[in-house]
Amino acid sequence: GEDVEQSLFLSVREGDSSVINCTYTDSSSTYLYWYKQEPGAGLQLLTYIFSNMDMKQDQRLTVLLNKKDKHLSLRIADTQTGDSAIYFCAERTSSNTGKLIFGQGTTLQVKP
Amino acid sequence: NAGVMQNPRHLVRRRGQEARLRCSPMKGHSHVYWYRQLPEEGLKFMVYLQKENIIDESGMPKERFSAEFPKEGPSILRIQQVVRGDSAAYFCASSSRSSSYNEQFFGPGTRLTVL
Repeated sequence: GEDVEQSLFLSVREGDSSVINCTYTDSSSTYLYWYKQEPGAGLQLLTYIFSNMDMKQDQRLTVLLNKKDKHLSLRIADTQTGDSAIYFCAERTSSNTGKLIFGQGTTLQVKP
Repeated sequence: NAGVMQNPRHLVRRRGQEARLRCSPMKGHSHVYWYRQLPEEGLKFMVYLQKENIIDESGMPKERFSAEFPKEGPSILRIQQVVRGDSAAYFCASSSRSSSYNEQFFGPGTRLTVL
């Protein structure tokens, strides 16, 4: 089946690194994504990783994928108060329709 | 290039009324997805449409919900005889193709409240 799980809450201090974790069940996932949602807004794509990659780095963001354990993580270096938001991981399965399966979201709170 | 537009942003309906949610995809995008976000939950896929065709409606409730994406005009998600459990944020996303890496661009959502 298709299921994506995330921890619900993470609190860090400004300047620290944040690591948000995600597990998924569908081994046929092709792409995995991280989206950011600020209060009252839609979702903004932060980064994505193709399933045959182990790591992707994009400025302050590092995505790690352990395909064997079906584990995805997002590391935000030098976390800022503006990073406070809900972070969703999502998988795109091998289905051709392109639908995304989302986790329930991790609320990141950044304390000054 | 305007992003994905959704309207209304907020919609209040009484039980038994109809709700119509509109989504205008980004210019040049012919693929539209609708997702529903219940309070304190992630987004759940509802339906995927291309112009004049429903491609995947596996996430749509069997009754009262319908969607269309006509040749001209926005995509419409229609909920008939709304109930309190329909209260949620409904997000539309569009993309330019469905295969390979396809970034889905999300609209701001319509927040439906059923009294």
